[in-house]
Amino acid sequence: DIQMTQSPSSLSASVGDRVTITCQASQDISNYLNWYQQKPGKAPKLLIYDASNLETGVPSRFSGSGSGTDFTFTISSLQPEDIATYYCQQYDNLPRTFGQGTKVEIK
Amino acid sequence: QVQLVQSGAEVKKPGASVKVSCKASGYTFTSYYMHWVRQAPGQGLEWMGIINPSGGSTSYAQKFQGRVTMTRDTSTSTVYMELSSLRSEDTAVYYCARGPTFQHWGQGTLVTVSS
Repeated sequence: DIQMTQSPSSLSASVGDRVTITCQASQDISNYLNWYQQKPGKAPKLLIYDASNLETGVPSRFSGSGSGTDFTFTISSLQPEDIATYYCQQYDNLPRTFGQGTKVEIK
Repeated sequence: QVQLVQSGAEVKKPGASVKVSCKASGYTFTSYYMHWVRQAPGQGLEWMGIINPSGGSTSYAQKFQGRVTMTRDTSTSTVYMELSSLRSEDTAVYYCARGPTFQHWGQGTLVTVSS
């Protein structure tokens, strides 16, 4: 199975700050990586697919980069509505595997 | 628009089985694989398996092999996930999600396992 190591597990930042989350795959997954946002009591929402493509309707302050084994997710200017838990997920192979999640809070 | 509507919450006793449904609409049902993902309280996302609605073939996470069965009914555009021999650790919200990029998710079904 491909292991996805996501860090940090939580972070606290101020409104307007740049926030970065990393995700490392245990083997090369090319660009088969998604990023999701999950708010309490809700299903995850796809934000980024194929490592760097912004899903339709998602604000441009969200971005993703990387390929192979190392990936980065960035919120360029944190907004109060971005408070959520973020997950990476690989879809290169079965079983699909998720990172452990990063809880983003406002300082 | 694409919609995945799941069945309602369930409360089960240890050792019982649960069957959760996910009714798809707004697209050609047989054109996209469907995945099942669960989330225990306060925990992360855990992939359970995948079904091809066209032919019915499945692949399950090793952790659930022997306990999970995924099926589909093409006449109603519905996929099902049945989990047997339930234990307290199976208490979770269960989601269906349309492949390949999990762009669309069901609303989730809470399954509570308690004596």
